[in-house]
Order: sequence, then C-alpha cells, then structure tokens
Amino acid sequence: DVKVTQSSRYLVKRTGEKVFLECVQDMDHENMFWYRQDPGLGLRLIYFSYDVKMKEKGDIPEGYSVSREKKERFSLILESASTNQTSMYLCASSFPGGLSDTQYFGPGTRLTVL
Amino acid sequence: SQQGEEDPQALSIQEGENATMNCSYKTSINNLQWYRQNSGRGLVHLILIRSNEREKHSGRLRVTLDTSKKSSSLLITASRAADTASYFCATEEKSSGDKLTFGTGTRLAVRP
Repeated sequence: DVKVTQSSRYLVKRTGEKVFLECVQDMDHENMFWYRQDPGLGLRLIYFSYDVKMKEKGDIPEGYSVSREKKERFSLILESASTNQTSMYLCASSFPGGLSDTQYFGPGTRLTVL
Repeated sequence: SQQGEEDPQALSIQEGENATMNCSYKTSINNLQWYRQNSGRGLVHLILIRSNEREKHSGRLRVTLDTSKKSSSLLITASRAADTASYFCATEEKSSGDKLTFGTGTRLAVRP
C-alpha cells in the first residue's frame, strides 16, 4: 500500500516564525502536492512538483515556498507565519498522468498560528 | 481555478438508506474522482470515472457522469454508520496536467 506521511499531526506556532511541514511518500511517485483545507472552501492547491528540484505554483502560493531535494520528500515552508495561515495542510502524491490518476493523501497537519 | 460545487452541503440519513450526493463542474475534464475524508484525517480515493464513461460501480458505490451537464453523482447504497464522513469530488481538467480541482464537499451523517 502507498504510504504518505506528514511530520506532525498538530503544530502550534507564533506569528512571524518560519515553519517547515514535511511530507514523505514511499511509492516512488513523481508527483507531489500541497493543499490547504478550510471549512467551506474545500481543498486548495498551494504548490506541486512533478520531479526532483521542480516546483510549480498552485492556486494560492502567496506566503509559501516549497523544496523537493529528493524524490520521496516534499517540504512546505511558511517563511513568516501569519494567523491567516492557520489551517489543515494536506500532502498528496501520485504517478504521472497515464499511469494512474489517483492521488494518495497523508493524514494532514493541523497548524495553528497564534 | 474553477472549483466543483457539491450538493447538498450536508446530509443526514438512517442506516440502511441510500445516500446521493451531486457534483457540478465548469470545464472539460479527463476524469472525475470521488474521495472520502473521515473527520480530521486525510482523503482516501473511492472511485474514478473517465470522461467517456457514463456509469461506474464499486461495491456499494455507484457513480454517474453527464458531461453534457457537467455533473456527476455518487450513490452509496445500504448505508452504514461507518460511512459517516465528508465526500469530495475532484476533476482532472483537460488543460491541467495531473492536477485535481476539488469541490467543497458533502458531509454525510449516517444514524445507527
């Protein structure tokens, strides 16, 4: 079975702190994604990556950056956390199109910024 | 990007009843997928239907797709208390590569 893990289930940070959210997948997937989920808004794509060292902006990249130095690991970085970044963050991975269109999700990190 | 709309936002039914939830979208798609999310957890893929398919079954799940109306429905038959979760549709748009656009979800509560 595909396993996607995220470094923390719950995280509390202060405004202005630099925050790292880590995601690791064990299925050799090329694609990795970071979403945030807010009540009434569904899932919104922040960044995604099709390959190592490759990244593309999603729908709401402002205030975030990402890093993909190894195929299995995709990190989301909040350079200076703000209260409006309090949210549930979900990581997902998938094979490239044509092999499988399914995304596999991690358990999520609930981030609170005070 | 354009997001799918799901209807209803919330649904409460008795165990044993069928649950139907609907999804509408706005652009041409390669496929439409349904995911399930238990409270506070990640999403789990349920079923995928391609743009050239009209209906698909998987166990107690039945999905239909009407590309002319840009809509899909998910039917869960003989519901169980364990089906209580949020359900999301997600579309892979023709121009989006491997990205998915998610709807806002339907919260299903199945009463024992």
